[in-house]
Amino acid sequence: DVKVTQSSRYLVKRTGEKVFLECVQDMDHENMFWYRQDPGLGLRLIYFSYDVKMKEKGDIPEGYSVSREKKERFSLILESASTNQTSMYLCASSFPNQPQHFGDGTRLSIL
Amino acid sequence: QKEVEQNSGPLSVPEGAIASLNCTYSDRVSQSFFWYRQYSGKSPELIMSIYSNGDKEDGRFTAQLNKASQYVSLLIRDSQPSDSATYLCAVISNQGGKLIFGQGTELSVKP
Repeated sequence: DVKVTQSSRYLVKRTGEKVFLECVQDMDHENMFWYRQDPGLGLRLIYFSYDVKMKEKGDIPEGYSVSREKKERFSLILESASTNQTSMYLCASSFPNQPQHFGDGTRLSIL
Repeated sequence: QKEVEQNSGPLSVPEGAIASLNCTYSDRVSQSFFWYRQYSGKSPELIMSIYSNGDKEDGRFTAQLNKASQYVSLLIRDSQPSDSATYLCAVISNQGGKLIFGQGTELSVKP
C-alpha cells in the first residue's frame, strides 16, 4: 500500500512564525503536491513538484514556499505565518498521470 | 466555467437505495478520471479510476464515463450509512498532469 506520511496531525503556531510541514512518501513517486482545504472552498493546490529540486506554483502559492531535496520528501514552508493560513493541509504523491494518494493531513492553527 | 463541476448537495438517500453522483468537465481531451471519498475530518481516499467510455464496476460502486458528453458519474448501490461522506470527482489536466478536483458532493445515507 502507498504510504504518505505527514509529520503532524495537529499543529498550533503564532503569527509571524516560520512553519515547516513535512511530507514523506514511500512509493518512489515522482510527483508530490501540497493542498489546503477550507470549508466551502474545496481542495486548492499550493505547490507541486515533478522531480527532485523542481517545483511549480499551484493556484494559491502566495505566502508559501516548498523544498524537495530528496525524492521521497516534500516540505511546505510558511515564511511568516498569518491567521488566514489556518487550514487543513494535505500532501499527496503520484506517478505521472496517475491518481494521487493523500496523507492524513495536518490541521494547522495560527494564533 | 469551472473545469470540473459537481453538485454540492447535500444528496440524501435512504439506506439500501442507489446514490447517483454526477460530474462534468470542460477539457475535451482529458483521458483519466477518478472518484475520491472523503469522510469528515479525514483525507481523500481513491475509490475508483476510469479511463475509457462505459461502465466500470467495483463491488457496490460503478463509475460511468461518457467522453462525448464530458460527463462522469458514480453509482453506489445498496447505499449504507457508512457511505455518508463527500465524494470528489477529479480529472487529470493536460497542462502538466495535475489533478483538477471538483468541489465535492456531500452524500448522506439515512438509516
